[in-house]
Amino acid sequence: KNQVEQSPQSLIILEGKNCTLQCNYTVSPFSNLRWYKQDTGRGPVSLTIMTFSENTKSNGRYTATLDADTKQSSLHITASQLSDSASYICVVSVTYKLSFGAGTTVTVRA
Amino acid sequence: NAGVTQTPKFQVLKTGQSMTLQCAQDMNHEYMSWYRQDPGMGLRLIHYSVGAGITDQGEVPNGYNVSRSTTEDFPLRLLSAAPSQTSVYFCASIKTGSTDTQYFGPGTRLTVL
Repeated sequence: KNQVEQSPQSLIILEGKNCTLQCNYTVSPFSNLRWYKQDTGRGPVSLTIMTFSENTKSNGRYTATLDADTKQSSLHITASQLSDSASYICVVSVTYKLSFGAGTTVTVRA
Repeated sequence: NAGVTQTPKFQVLKTGQSMTLQCAQDMNHEYMSWYRQDPGMGLRLIHYSVGAGITDQGEVPNGYNVSRSTTEDFPLRLLSAAPSQTSVYFCASIKTGSTDTQYFGPGTRLTVL
């Protein structure tokens, strides 16, 4: 069973709307939790990195939260843009060992 | 900096052929790794290296070899290609610290017939 589960698998939102992606993990303890954005045909790009003691981390319109007690993280996208259409991947790491979720595919429609 | 570069971008092999996927980084990162990405699954670690001359197996190492003779280069060798190795392969590097940013290459799409 994957140690990092993401939901939903995919979602469609209208341009300008907000959305929240979920990540549940069983990896414990861990060094940090990361969110990546992967455009079609490209490699993943880092959005946020949070240690286990951090609750929230922002990068522009992207805000990640972490609840280490419930082993849950979320990525909130504010005022979505067409360029936000991509796969978003949650990653939990223990030093250099990274466990990847399968990703959530976000499609932003005009 | 060019970041992490990978060649080739696309490759088609016949079953049983061998080939090497190239990966290079110019950021002086110590840690490099190879992943494969299959539809509906998260990236899976094939092999990794924590420095020149040091390599180790990841989650799915069978059928692949690596070497790290320099800090910059980390090639992945397919010994005898099989259809199950059809996938997109990503090379990544990270400096050293646990909160350092990990950088990925653009990927190599491999098809084994």
